[in-house]
Amino acid sequence: EDQVTQSPEALRLQEGESSSLNCSYTVSGLRGLFWYRQDPGKGPEFLFTLYSAGEEKEKERLKATLTKKESFLHITAPKPEDSATYLCAVQAIGGSNYKLTFGKGTLLTVNP
Amino acid sequence: ETGVTQTPRHLVMGMTNKKSLKCEQHLGHNAMYWYKQSAKKPLELMFVYNFKEQTENNSVPSRFSPECPNSSHLFLHLHTLQPEDSALYLCASSQDLQAQEYFGPGTRLTVL
Repeated sequence: EDQVTQSPEALRLQEGESSSLNCSYTVSGLRGLFWYRQDPGKGPEFLFTLYSAGEEKEKERLKATLTKKESFLHITAPKPEDSATYLCAVQAIGGSNYKLTFGKGTLLTVNP
Repeated sequence: ETGVTQTPRHLVMGMTNKKSLKCEQHLGHNAMYWYKQSAKKPLELMFVYNFKEQTENNSVPSRFSPECPNSSHLFLHLHTLQPEDSALYLCASSQDLQAQEYFGPGTRLTVL
């Protein structure tokens, strides 16, 4: 069974204080790993898809990286508007290979 | 309207009521999904439709009944719900079953 574990559950940062969120996964064969951002009262917003170990993608202050066992979402010099819950999901190869298995998310709070 | 829209945004219903949730996507996508999001739990996939055909029913109780009349519209009919069904119900769409999913804002459901 595919599993996704995100850590920490919650993270508080001061504005400008860089850090990383972790997504560890267990999957029979990885087709893709997805990062989403979710603001309170809203649906998840797509950020990145990573397909193979060593791949990196960047968007503004966010950079996602992927290894064979985990993904990191690095946040550089965060601002208060980066506060949100960040969700990680994996999509497996084979079987119902379109289904996303989500983690519980990391709640990020950036204080001014 | 752009993206994925959901109505109503909030719904309070008694256990004997019948109600429906509506989802519409304006992205020209072929696949649509229903998810349930409860506090402290990962997103749970409920149903998947691809080109109007149901491809997944993730062991969802029969008190939830989906309907997909065309590739742009998705409904979730609710009847005889339980208080534990209270959650955020999210609709999503994607170009195909393996592409990234785009989510609507969700319907916050409270069952009394």
